[in-house]
Amino acid sequence: GAGVSQSPSNKVTEKGKDVELRCDPISGHTALYWYRQRLGQGLEFLIYFQGNSAPDKSGLPSDRFSAERTGESVSTLTIQRTQQEDSAVYLCASSLMVGTDTQYFGPGTRLTVL
Amino acid sequence: GENVEQHPSTLSVQEGDSAVIKCTYSDSASNYFPWYKQELGKGSQLIIDIRSNVGEKKDQRIAVTLNKTAKHFSLHITETQPEDSAVYFCAATPPSGGYNKLIFGAGTRLAVHP
Repeated sequence: GAGVSQSPSNKVTEKGKDVELRCDPISGHTALYWYRQRLGQGLEFLIYFQGNSAPDKSGLPSDRFSAERTGESVSTLTIQRTQQEDSAVYLCASSLMVGTDTQYFGPGTRLTVL
Repeated sequence: GENVEQHPSTLSVQEGDSAVIKCTYSDSASNYFPWYKQELGKGSQLIIDIRSNVGEKKDQRIAVTLNKTAKHFSLHITETQPEDSAVYFCAATPPSGGYNKLIFGAGTRLAVHP
């Protein structure tokens, strides 16, 4: 079946603008995760959704970052007033259920803040 | 919190040789250890994982070993092929309310030369 999809694949924006990144998880997956990967670095956990609720937002770098998930499917990550240090690849993953279950990653959105 | 160290950062081998990538983790309660392969334009794909109740797992040319006492785990690729060239990430999952908060290593760039 279809994997995790993300859009847009690339986003270039100017400093100070808001951006929205979208993630479509695998159908039926209840858990959804957002990660950030800066150039040459590993993936950093941002936020996790169980259904539509986000029990752990501890990885969000600042209050400019927020995320929501509706209908136990699509999730959007919003970055307000973007800064150059927000430039990174933002990756979404989903898993069938909570617990030690395999996470399937999307291809990511490459965000460049000029 | 959990911290994952990954070595080496780059690895160059000749086709047919073996490649070994090592990771150490800090939280002895971590119980799930996946390995992801990241290729340009293809996103991150799970290639193998191991749970803390197992010491070794093998899938064709890929194997992972886990030493819980020493808190390290390794990826072994035998008979390497040029298509194995990619960035490989290890991750560990500390107990976090029952869900998978993956903590990643910084990655290893593997180059397999024909």
